[in-house]
Amino acid sequence: DQQVKQNSPSLSVQEGRISILNCDYTNSMFDYFLWYKKYPAEGPTFLISISSIKDKNEDGRFTVFLNKSAKHLSLHIVPSQPGDSAVYFCALSGGTSYGKLTFGQGTILTVHP
Amino acid sequence: DTGVSQDPRHKITKRGQNVTFRCDPISEHNRLYWYRQTLGQGPEFLTYFQNEAQLEKSRLLSDRFSAERPKGSFSTLEIQRTEQGDSAMYLCASSFAANTGELFFGEGSRLTVL
Repeated sequence: DQQVKQNSPSLSVQEGRISILNCDYTNSMFDYFLWYKKYPAEGPTFLISISSIKDKNEDGRFTVFLNKSAKHLSLHIVPSQPGDSAVYFCALSGGTSYGKLTFGQGTILTVHP
Repeated sequence: DTGVSQDPRHKITKRGQNVTFRCDPISEHNRLYWYRQTLGQGPEFLTYFQNEAQLEKSRLLSDRFSAERPKGSFSTLEIQRTEQGDSAMYLCASSFAANTGELFFGEGSRLTVL
C-alpha cells in the first residue's frame, strides 16, 4: 500500500535546461508536501515545501506545484546545474505529527555539463 | 559543527548480535526522529520523541528494536538479535515541535548484518 510514488527512478538533463520531478500520492490526509535532496554519504536535506492550501511555491530556481485533485506533486528546477545532481525525494506530512514523513522512493537526477 | 551527528557511521555485525546507534540532535530541537532507509527506497519512519517522551512508534519497529532519549538530548536505537533484513541505513533527524515537516537529518548509520 505505497502511499507515495515517484515513478521515474532516474532523470537525465542537460545543464541549463529544466528538470521536472514528479510524485503521486493516494491519501488526501496530508497537509504539507516537501522535497528533500540527498547527496551520496549524506543525510537528506530539506529543499522546498508547499502547504495543501496552495498550488505553487517558488524559491529561487526551485518551484513546487501541487495538484490536489490529481494528487500530484512536481518539482521544477530551472536552470538545472551540475551541482543539482542528487537523489530527490518527495515527502508528505500531516496528521498528529508533521515530522512523521511519508517518503517516495526517490528519483536520481543527473545534470550533464 | 552544530548539525545532527550519528555514531557509528558504519557497523558490521553477525546475525544474532546486538547493536546500538547513537544520535546527537541539534541542541535547540526538542523533537528527535529515527528513520530507516533500504536500497532503492525512501526513508521510512520508525519512531519519534518529544523531549524524553516517545510519542509514536511505527509498526515497522518490532520488539527487537528499542529507542530511548533519557534526558531529552541524545538518543539511542538498539537492535537486539540482529537479522539480515535489518541491514539498512538508520537515519536520525531533529526539529522544533512546531514544524511542518522540515527535518534536519544526520548522515546516517549504515548497518550490515552478515
